[in-house]
Amino acid sequence: DTAVSQTPKYLVTQMGNDKSIKCEQNLGHDTMYWYKQDSKKFLKIMFSYNNKELIINETVPNRFSPKSPDKAHLNLHINSLELGDSAVYFCASSMGQGAGNEQFFGPGTRLTVL
Amino acid sequence: KNQVEQSPQSLIILEGKNCTLQCNYTVSPFSNLRWYKQDTGRGPVSLTIMTFSENTKSNGRYTATLDADTKQSSLHITASQLSDSASYICVVSAPGTYKYIFGTGTRLKVLA
Repeated sequence: DTAVSQTPKYLVTQMGNDKSIKCEQNLGHDTMYWYKQDSKKFLKIMFSYNNKELIINETVPNRFSPKSPDKAHLNLHINSLELGDSAVYFCASSMGQGAGNEQFFGPGTRLTVL
Repeated sequence: KNQVEQSPQSLIILEGKNCTLQCNYTVSPFSNLRWYKQDTGRGPVSLTIMTFSENTKSNGRYTATLDADTKQSSLHITASQLSDSASYICVVSAPGTYKYIFGTGTRLKVLA
């Protein structure tokens, strides 16, 4: 009965490859997010979707493309992977998009680009 | 410069001791401030949320304080346990935005 789940948990790939990370939440939340946590453990928002609609798109290379097929899913596709993409990627969800809403985070996907 | 700064960067204490973590922010206007706990290899989990009008809030052995005038918050952990070893992250939100501004985090290690 995991609230926010991500797959895969670990992803090791070569530079130049294309990969996807999947996220699903069973909390009935309307808003979902993707965060990147770098080696210094700093969390930075990448994207946010509310009811399948993009509401936050930070300065992220267009090699990163989120896709939300429905409210419960937010996937992240990355093209032409680079060494600097190595990080832990967290998916999160919240009931609404307002700042007071608690975010529930997934377990993270550790991406290593060789 | 990050709008949310935390100190210390890391902290080691003995089991049973108390400790206090600091969060200073420049986000203005301010809506609310959350403290998250992130265990190694896991996603962050919310401990407390404080709005502009709240000064203190407790969650078990965790007590958060907020001074909106000086833009400072602290997280006090009482009678630390080994399971308190984690990163603690302060997150500030501004009204009318969808953005959460994360602090740099404090890594706490509790030793037996």
